[in-house]
Amino acid sequence: AQSVTQLDSHVSVSEGTPVLLRCNYSSSYSPSLFWYVQHPNKGLQLLLKYTSAATLVKGINGFEAEFKKSETSFHLTKPSAHMSDAAEYFCVVSPNQGGKLIFGQGTELSVKP
Amino acid sequence: GAGVSQSPSNKVTEKGKDVELRCDPISGHTALYWYRQSLGQGLEFLIYFQGNSAPDKSGLPSDRFSAERTGGSVSTLTIQRTQQEDSAVYLCASSFTSRTGELFFGEGSRLTVL
Repeated sequence: AQSVTQLDSHVSVSEGTPVLLRCNYSSSYSPSLFWYVQHPNKGLQLLLKYTSAATLVKGINGFEAEFKKSETSFHLTKPSAHMSDAAEYFCVVSPNQGGKLIFGQGTELSVKP
Repeated sequence: GAGVSQSPSNKVTEKGKDVELRCDPISGHTALYWYRQSLGQGLEFLIYFQGNSAPDKSGLPSDRFSAERTGGSVSTLTIQRTQQEDSAVYLCASSFTSRTGELFFGEGSRLTVL
């Protein structure tokens, strides 16, 4: 069985400071992992994905995530937060063979001026 | 349009009535997913279709929920005898195949059951 846990329901940072959104996964085999972002009143958008290639994955808008198998983690980071980064972020796991995607509960990111 | 289209965008209904939610995926996408997002909650998987294979219905919460996909394109999610706990945003997504995991989401249908 697969599952994903987002360790923080809400994260607040100041503009220009680093962002860290934490995600741990559970999978009985090598998974594909994703981060999706949902801006207020907008649809979900893929931010980045890991599919067993490079363990450090770069996404859009300066975000990146590192797959750490030993820690079963896939944390999302950004060196410097921007006001436009305020949104809900979802960590997602999927079996490599395809099928349904399992979403975490989401982390709401607030960015203070 | 080029994106996933859902209708209606908003639906208010009375408890006990049936509702149908429609999803028009991106042309050429073989995989189609339905998720439900309740206030303050993550996305709850409902059902997914991949080509002509039998759909994965493992997420449907009760037998009041059903979905079909006609001709490998448009999908309809039907909720019979709606209950207040069915109130949520119902999201549809499509993907070129189910193997990529890159889903393109519609803007959702917000269902309110009074």
